[in-house]
Amino acid sequence: SQKIEQNSEALNIQEGKTATLTCNYTNYSPAYLQWYRQDPGRGPVFLLLIRENEKEKRKERLKVTFDTTLKQSLFHITASQPADSATYLCALDMTNSGYALNFGKGTSLLVTP
Amino acid sequence: GAGVSQTPSNKVTEKGKYVELRCDPISGHTALYWYRQSLGQGPEFLIYFQGTGAADDSGLPNDRFFAVRPEGSVSTLKIQRTERGDSAMYLCASSPSGAETQYFGPGTRLLVL
Repeated sequence: SQKIEQNSEALNIQEGKTATLTCNYTNYSPAYLQWYRQDPGRGPVFLLLIRENEKEKRKERLKVTFDTTLKQSLFHITASQPADSATYLCALDMTNSGYALNFGKGTSLLVTP
Repeated sequence: GAGVSQTPSNKVTEKGKYVELRCDPISGHTALYWYRQSLGQGPEFLIYFQGTGAADDSGLPNDRFFAVRPEGSVSTLKIQRTERGDSAMYLCASSPSGAETQYFGPGTRLLVL
C-alpha cells in the first residue's frame, strides 16, 4: 500500500539556521508532491508543489527537492525564524482519485531565538 | 476574497447522536474535499466532489458517514450514530477545476462523549 514517512520526531533549530525536513514514500509513482504548513488548531496552508519531472523548486526562503529514484523529497527553510515554527506536511496525489491528497503525519518544527 | 469556511468550529455530541458539519468553499471552486485528522496524524482523505457529484467516496470509513453537495457549492458531511472514535478534526478543502493545490478551511473539531 502507498506509504508516506516524515521525521516523526520534532525538529528543534536555532533562528537563522537552515531547517531540512524529509519526506519518503513507498509503493508510489506520484505525478507531484506538495508541502503544506499547519499551525495548531488550523487547517493546512499550501506552500509548494513540485512535479515528477522537476528536481528543485524555490519560493523565497523555501526550497523543495524531489528525487523520484530515491522516492524522497527534502524541504528546506533557510534563515529560519521563530515564526516558521509549525508542523509541515508532505502530501502526494492519490492514484485514481482526481486530486485528492495522501498526507504524511507531518514534522513539527520549532525555531528558537 | 473569502477563504473556505466551516461551521461549527467545535461540536460536542453524545455517542449515538447525529451530526452535520458544513463547508462553504471558495466561490467558483468546483472541487471540494473532506478530510479527517486525528491528533498527531496527517489529514486522511474521506470524499471528493467535482461539482455536485461525489467523484470518489472511497475514504469514508463506513456507511455512518455521508456527504452531499446538492448545488455544487456548500457541502455537508453527515455522521449518523456517532462513536467516540469519530472524534477528530474534520477539514474541508476546495480548489478550482483541474488544480492540484487545495485551500483548506479552519476545520470543525468534533468531540463525541
